[in-house]
Amino acid sequence: GESVGLHLPTLSVQEGDNSIINCAYSNSASDYFIWYKQESGKGPQFIIDIRSNMDKRQGQRVTVLLNKTVKHLSLQIAATQPGDSAVYFCAEIYSYQKVTFGIGTKLQVIP
Amino acid sequence: NAGVTQTPKFQVLKTGQSMTLQCAQDMNHNSMYWYRQDPGMGLRLIYYSASEGTTDKGEVPNGYNVSRLNKREFSLRLESAAPSQTSVYFCASSEQPFTGKLFFGSGTQLSVL
Repeated sequence: GESVGLHLPTLSVQEGDNSIINCAYSNSASDYFIWYKQESGKGPQFIIDIRSNMDKRQGQRVTVLLNKTVKHLSLQIAATQPGDSAVYFCAEIYSYQKVTFGIGTKLQVIP
Repeated sequence: NAGVTQTPKFQVLKTGQSMTLQCAQDMNHNSMYWYRQDPGMGLRLIYYSASEGTTDKGEVPNGYNVSRLNKREFSLRLESAAPSQTSVYFCASSEQPFTGKLFFGSGTQLSVL
């Protein structure tokens, strides 16, 4: 809901432009990474995942990049649409058991 | 296809009151979870149930209890609510083997006055 958006970094993007959302993770031994999308008043929803032995994965209009050297993950959204407005957060999974979530980035799409 | 269903969506309690948050999933998942979400923090795990009949503490279990009623249902109980438990609560479930991919309910916004 609205309280989730407080204190979050915000990215404002013009409709039709590409968006890049970044995430720094903490555990260099994490096996797997996931991006979630959370719309206002809803629960998080899986977008795309990537295994630690990959550096790029593409989905429909979304691409995730993994840079293990600097422990950085990014989500690229092509041709951003108003329906993409949401909070996006990454999750790192260690040993296929422990899940650590980032605090998220709020994406605002300007029509 | 309902997925994960949580009730209620909103709740206001006075300090010291008790309540139970209900969760049910229809995806035949073995594992279920309760998370809380607070401003400026990532989702934090309260309790989880790897399978029917088992429950384990997560990162922030104090002040909560859970019951895995059957494979479908996993409830979270606040015995004596405190203002620090004001939060948005999410139930989730996952497939086996676990990959980290969680299926979330729509949340319960709880305020404790």
